Amino acid sequence: GAVVSQHPSWVICKSGTSVKIECRSLDFQATTMFWYRQFPKQSLMLMATSNEGSKATYEQGVEKDKFLINHASLTLSTLTVTSAHPEDSSFYICSAEKGPGLTGNTIYFGEGSWLTVV
Amino acid sequence: AQSVAQPEDQVNVAEGNPLTVKCTYSVSGNPYLFWYVQYPNRGLQFLLKYITGDNLVKGSYGFEAEFNKSQTSFHLKKPSALVSDSALYFCAVEVTGGGNKLTFGTGTQLKVEL
Repeated sequence: GAVVSQHPSWVICKSGTSVKIECRSLDFQATTMFWYRQFPKQSLMLMATSNEGSKATYEQGVEKDKFLINHASLTLSTLTVTSAHPEDSSFYICSAEKGPGLTGNTIYFGEGSWLTVV
Repeated sequence: AQSVAQPEDQVNVAEGNPLTVKCTYSVSGNPYLFWYVQYPNRGLQFLLKYITGDNLVKGSYGFEAEFNKSQTSFHLKKPSALVSDSALYFCAVEVTGGGNKLTFGTGTQLKVEL
């Protein structure tokens, strides 16, 4: 299958600072990438849809000024958590859409990034 | 709005026995259905998807799923479970024309024991 890489896998930052998480599609170009947040033992919550060359589309309730998303190229999207607070601590997962294939587009996920704000 | 239900938080099965992880969906259009697996502290791995055609879809690692339109279900199955199959399984739905957004179920923890 296709490979989506996230970096860093783990990050600890101080409250009030900003942290950037990268999502890369390593062997395909992705015009669309998605950012999710997952709390322990819970499902994934879609935060935003990232489109290459345009502004991200945020889901209802997600603060776009706090969670800055940039999709500067067909293989890279970044999520920046600004002025992080302990309640932002979570597992963040990105996904990238690959296609079209014989059976349409398929979405592949990164390995996730653990953010801990202290 | 589309939704996915995974009625079981956890499924326990003995190694070598068949396993089923249940999923039902609710959509207003034609659904694309997916199964993903998540190992601890890892991202999601794609297992299989249903777009159209045969109701029985075969995927990775010996898994398969059956699309049942009348029951709006897409249960994940495997004829013979392995201990290494123990993980968290997510069912997801994407509605055609929905901008490729996936809606996930709450996940089912599969535990395969010797």
